[in-house]
Amino acid sequence: GAVVSQHPSWVICKSGTSVKIECRSLDFQATTMFWYRQFPKQSLMLMATSNEGSKATYEQGVEKDKFLINHASLTLSTLTVTSAHPEDSSFYICSATERTGGTGELFFGEGSRLTVL
Amino acid sequence: GNSVTQMEGPVTLSEEAFLTINCTYTATGYPSLFWYVQYPGEGLQLLLKATKADDKGSNKGFEATYRKETTSFHLEKGSVQVSDSAVYFCALPKTTRSGGGADGLTFGKGTHLIIQP
Repeated sequence: GAVVSQHPSWVICKSGTSVKIECRSLDFQATTMFWYRQFPKQSLMLMATSNEGSKATYEQGVEKDKFLINHASLTLSTLTVTSAHPEDSSFYICSATERTGGTGELFFGEGSRLTVL
Repeated sequence: GNSVTQMEGPVTLSEEAFLTINCTYTATGYPSLFWYVQYPGEGLQLLLKATKADDKGSNKGFEATYRKETTSFHLEKGSVQVSDSAVYFCALPKTTRSGGGADGLTFGKGTHLIIQP
């Protein structure tokens, strides 16, 4: 199946710094990418949807200035956590689909664990 | 939007036992339904899906039937193995679209399955 890769898989940063997480589709063109956040022992929460070349659509309650999403190419989307604080510590997961029509199968990255000290 | 409820774990079974993980949903119309699996240290993988009522999705010995009467999509396996130990997520599109457009998924909280030898 299609492969989605995230980098880094884990990152530790100091409070107040910004962290960028990359999500790449390795063998297909991802017209749409989704960013999720997963808290320990909880479900995945959809943060935002990004379509290549356009602004991301954020879910209610997600601060767009806090979580900057860029989807500049068909194989790369980035999530930047700006001015990170300990409460931003979480597991961030991206997924991608190569179809813009309907709900195509989603392919998930391995996830990136962020720890903010 | 659509929502899903699944039984919470952990669920601990002995090898070769019968498995059922309950999942019920609330949705507009009849969206596709999915089961994803997350093995330790890995990203989510699609386990099976059903796209319309009465469809049965199956993969790796797992089965789930789309039942619109009971709005359920329970996951079953006749004889589990230690290698089935993982977290299982029931999911459906965030909204039911009739005209296309990729959509994020709404996930259940996940069920941690532990299979003992």
